[in-house]
Amino acid sequence: TQLLEQSPQFLSIQEGENLTVYCNSSSVFSSLQWYRQEPGEGPVLLVTVVTGGEVKKLKRLTFQFGDARKDSSLHITAAQPGDTGLYLCAGVNTGGFKTIFGAGTRLFVKA
Amino acid sequence: GAVVSQHPSWVICKSGTSVKIECRSLDFQATTMFWYRQFPKQSLMLMATSNEGSKATYEQGVEKDKFLINHASLTLSTLTVTSAHPEDSSFYICSANDWDRGYEQYFGPGTRLTVT
Repeated sequence: TQLLEQSPQFLSIQEGENLTVYCNSSSVFSSLQWYRQEPGEGPVLLVTVVTGGEVKKLKRLTFQFGDARKDSSLHITAAQPGDTGLYLCAGVNTGGFKTIFGAGTRLFVKA
Repeated sequence: GAVVSQHPSWVICKSGTSVKIECRSLDFQATTMFWYRQFPKQSLMLMATSNEGSKATYEQGVEKDKFLINHASLTLSTLTVTSAHPEDSSFYICSANDWDRGYEQYFGPGTRLTVT
């Protein structure tokens, strides 16, 4: 069974601080997505990474896919209260038929 | 692009009644749609995968006779919670795949079901 471990599960930081969220697995994924979900809403796709070692930037968010395509990280620089939400990573297996979600990281950024 | 809608956004029903939730892909054709359930402060739990024109594939532990899924067209899937009970109260979210774009799932806004 493929598992995607996400850490930390919960993070409460001050505005302006930096943070990193990790997703790790023993399995290889063909691609990995990061989503952000606000309370009472559906997850919104932030980015997809496909190539091992790939780095993508979305304003203050930096996403990295591990060289072996088994892990990924999301780094937020100078966090803002608007970054508060549940961050989910999701890996697509190499057959492309199943997406596995991490348990999520609940981020709270205090003003 | 890749917009998914859900209806209703919230519903309250009495125990024993059935509730239907619709999931629509508005600007693309979705061969595959997924139904998730989410409990407060938890991640998504996949309930079933539905492919247009065929029977849904349910995850282990999900009662197919209780959660009826129909995917009659490339833009619409429905989830019917039959004989609802208070423990079925949850946040139900659908997502859809646009295979032309890739393997990403695009999520609807969710439906909050409360069974009294």
